[in-house]
Amino acid sequence: DQQVKQNSPSLSVQEGRISILNCDYTNSMFDYFLWYKKYPAEGPTFLISISSIKDKNEDGRFTVFLNKSAKHLSLHIVPSQPGDSAVYFCAATGSGNTGKLIFGQGTTLQVKP
Amino acid sequence: DGGITQSPKYLFRKEGQNVTLSCEQNLNHDAMYWYRQDPGQGLRLIYYSQIVNDFQKGDIAEGYSVSREKKESFPLTVTSAQKNPTAFYLCASSIRSSGGPNTGELFFGEGSRLTVL
Repeated sequence: DQQVKQNSPSLSVQEGRISILNCDYTNSMFDYFLWYKKYPAEGPTFLISISSIKDKNEDGRFTVFLNKSAKHLSLHIVPSQPGDSAVYFCAATGSGNTGKLIFGQGTTLQVKP
Repeated sequence: DGGITQSPKYLFRKEGQNVTLSCEQNLNHDAMYWYRQDPGQGLRLIYYSQIVNDFQKGDIAEGYSVSREKKESFPLTVTSAQKNPTAFYLCASSIRSSGGPNTGELFFGEGSRLTVL
């Protein structure tokens, strides 16, 4: 039972354009969502998060949008840079999960120069 | 600098052997976690610990064991009962384990790659 889904395994965009990574969840108890970025053979690093009381959070080139009614969130990267090429994981948690994160399968982003 | 240290980075094991992966953190975090990464499956939770001397099974605990005798340390033993142990193992920690925003942010180590020969 995949509670957090990233249906696109990979995404390729041109440098300078927008990258949009999508994530869907099924558990209505989730109230906090995070994006992590991972390079090969390294641990994931936290990128940006959003609480369910908001529908948008912005940090520099990265913006996360949350649509609670659709149980959908997305990560926008503008403008995309070659150094953004990595695997991006969406994760969710809620008060009923005792703080543990449920991760999606990940989307591999390739930004071409 | 504060952080999470996993060792060894690479480990080879023969079938039937138990191996222990080390995870140490000096962030003074209460909670620690072990995740497993397989291609196309994201990160799956093996075990987690919210406090010293206490831990809970995650989604795929079978064939694994942990201990939490010290706040800083959360070693994972991959036993011979684990049917498919070859994977990339990630240890993480967080400040608190439950309630409110900011508790979901995990700090990860660099991972340990285990290969069963």
